[in-house]
Amino acid sequence: QLQLQESGPGLVEPSETLSLTCTVSGDSISNSGFYWAWIRQTPGEGLECIGSIYYTGSLYYKPSLMGRVTISVDTSKNQFSLKLNSVTAADTAVYYCARHRYQQFVGLHYFDQWGQGTLVTVSS
Amino acid sequence: ETVMTQSPATLSVSPGERVTLSCRASQSVGSNLAWYQQKPGQAPRLLIYGASTRATGIPVRFSGSGSGTEFTLTISSLQTEDFAVYYCQQFYDWPPWTFGRGTKVEIK
Repeated sequence: QLQLQESGPGLVEPSETLSLTCTVSGDSISNSGFYWAWIRQTPGEGLECIGSIYYTGSLYYKPSLMGRVTISVDTSKNQFSLKLNSVTAADTAVYYCARHRYQQFVGLHYFDQWGQGTLVTVSS
Repeated sequence: ETVMTQSPATLSVSPGERVTLSCRASQSVGSNLAWYQQKPGQAPRLLIYGASTRATGIPVRFSGSGSGTEFTLTISSLQTEDFAVYYCQQFYDWPPWTFGRGTKVEIK
């Protein structure tokens, strides 16, 4: 059974770097047809796709976050990670990792499995 | 960026009733639309993808329809465990893949 678990600090100071890791169990992060995604949720902005990565390194980033965000994958540990630098209070959110399924032949995408989420607060 | 508009924002329903939720895209997204259910304190759960395909383990009372810019999620007979917030998400137009703001289904 696939499980995803986010981990990382729950409190980050303004202007610092938010770092989260998602550990995947029950499936290989190198399986074809799956990207691995980060999504965040705030009361103000709702659900927001941050980006997705394929195990080969192919990436999608939300344009408004480009320059601040890095998503990487570590196949040896079956993990993928999120780094968001120069954070402000606006980056306070529940951060989710998810499996992003891509059915290439029909061109369909969807997030089929999610981690439980972790609250990250940006505050001094 | 494709804007997803869900209506109504809140729906008050009695158990056993039929529920229809609407999602409208600001431009065509083909059939690349998913629906999720989120309960308080939990992550969203995939219900429907490809506009009309139920995800694994999703009860048959949930159905999705539509294409282009107009989509509907129908719950044929609302169960008590279905009270939640429902989100649609388009996967056609990147960047980025956008969510609606959700419809809260609450007990009448």
